[in-house]
Amino acid sequence: EVQLEESGGGLVTPGGSLRLSCTASGFPFDDAWMSWVRQAPGKGLEWVGRIKSMAGGGTVDYGAAVKGRFTISRDDSRDTMYLQMNSLKTEDTALYFCIWCGSPHKFDYWGQGALVTVSS
Amino acid sequence: QSALTQPASVSGSPGQSIAISCTGTSDFGSYNVVSWYQQHPGKAPKLMIYEGTRRPSGVSDRFSGSKSGNTASLTVSGLQAEDEADYYCCSYVGDSSWVFGGGTKLTVL
Repeated sequence: EVQLEESGGGLVTPGGSLRLSCTASGFPFDDAWMSWVRQAPGKGLEWVGRIKSMAGGGTVDYGAAVKGRFTISRDDSRDTMYLQMNSLKTEDTALYFCIWCGSPHKFDYWGQGALVTVSS
Repeated sequence: QSALTQPASVSGSPGQSIAISCTGTSDFGSYNVVSWYQQHPGKAPKLMIYEGTRRPSGVSDRFSGSKSGNTASLTVSGLQAEDEADYYCCSYVGDSSWVFGGGTKLTVL
């Protein structure tokens, strides 16, 4: 059974930093392309970014709203993906979902999300 | 970059069929990788359709997808109470970037 568990969410002041983790099980993580998608309270879904498998080049791509501030990385030895969020803004307040992409153009399995609140 | 436009809401009675549209700009029309997600309140989204028309294992065949030009559609036939949820389309829009539609709230009357 595929399981994705996000952790590290919380309250942070504007301009601050936070790191989310996503621990995976139930599938070969080192072969997996992984993504982050976020959802602001009461709003729709927004693609944050994606990291390819190391065999696929390990390339990382980001959405325009977070490019230059957020960094996605992975540790295949720990079956874990990370989202380092810097220079946080109030508009980054959202539930952040970790996703396994079974193939490049779909988001197959979603975690339950980690809530990040940016507020003074 | 393309934006994907969905109607804010659609509704139908049990047993009826409804369609949710997802309209993008020309770069969206170049790709055939539209996916659709169902989200119940307080839950994580669930993949319902990928590559425009394909259903993952376990998804009811009452859900189907289609695409014509710059508009993709999700059709739900034989509406059931449990289909009431928010639905989002998503597509690759080039330049290693993905975009979601604004979401459509489906109400089963």
